[in-house]
Amino acid sequence: DTEVTQTPKHLVMGMTNKKSLKCEQHMGHRAMYWYKQKAKKPPELMFVYSYEKLSINESVPSRFSPECPNSSLLNLHLHALQPEDSALYLCASSQHAETGISPREQYFGPGTRLTVT
Amino acid sequence: GENVEQHPSTLSVQEGDSAVIKCTYSDSASNYFPWYKQELGKGPQLIIDIRSNVGEKKDQRIAVTLNKTAKHFSLHITETQPEDSAVYFCAASGGGGTSYGKLTFGQGTILTVHP
Repeated sequence: DTEVTQTPKHLVMGMTNKKSLKCEQHMGHRAMYWYKQKAKKPPELMFVYSYEKLSINESVPSRFSPECPNSSLLNLHLHALQPEDSALYLCASSQHAETGISPREQYFGPGTRLTVT
Repeated sequence: GENVEQHPSTLSVQEGDSAVIKCTYSDSASNYFPWYKQELGKGPQLIIDIRSNVGEKKDQRIAVTLNKTAKHFSLHITETQPEDSAVYFCAASGGGGTSYGKLTFGQGTILTVHP
């Protein structure tokens, strides 16, 4: 089973709202990722968690705050977003994300379609 | 850092024809090359991948080839079906200093298979 689940499927929020996106995997993977995808573009990496620790932040604005409560769960907390943050937010997981070791397959969830009004 | 170019950006074929999508990468240290299929409203689905110690890999109607010297890799789909219609992304990973798993994606190819 290579399933990554994400909730909610759709989210509409105002610029003053606070909301959270959730991601879950039960494959025993120790690396989890957040990507942002705009229409007709490839996914862009935002954050990488390795063994529940934030290992990479791709210069993402602080209005996006990731959290990894345990090895199966990944959250993305949203606050004071801008309309240009509207996009598909994708979660992915892989066995590991360790420097110096050959990359492992990344499996993506279905995404959360976020609209900021 | 790594740069991946993908061509063509759109590809239209008749059902039963073959489709070929090509990607080039810039970092000779990259060693992992996955292909993803993304249908409308869904997340990317890993369909096949290849590592740098292999020149070709096949899975039913899908094959991927890798030329490390020229730094390019290609996706081949034979006997295309309408359900193959989707956006296809190539990616590269494992390059120097970035083997924490970062995937660098190509810009995508919109494949349309006409019945």
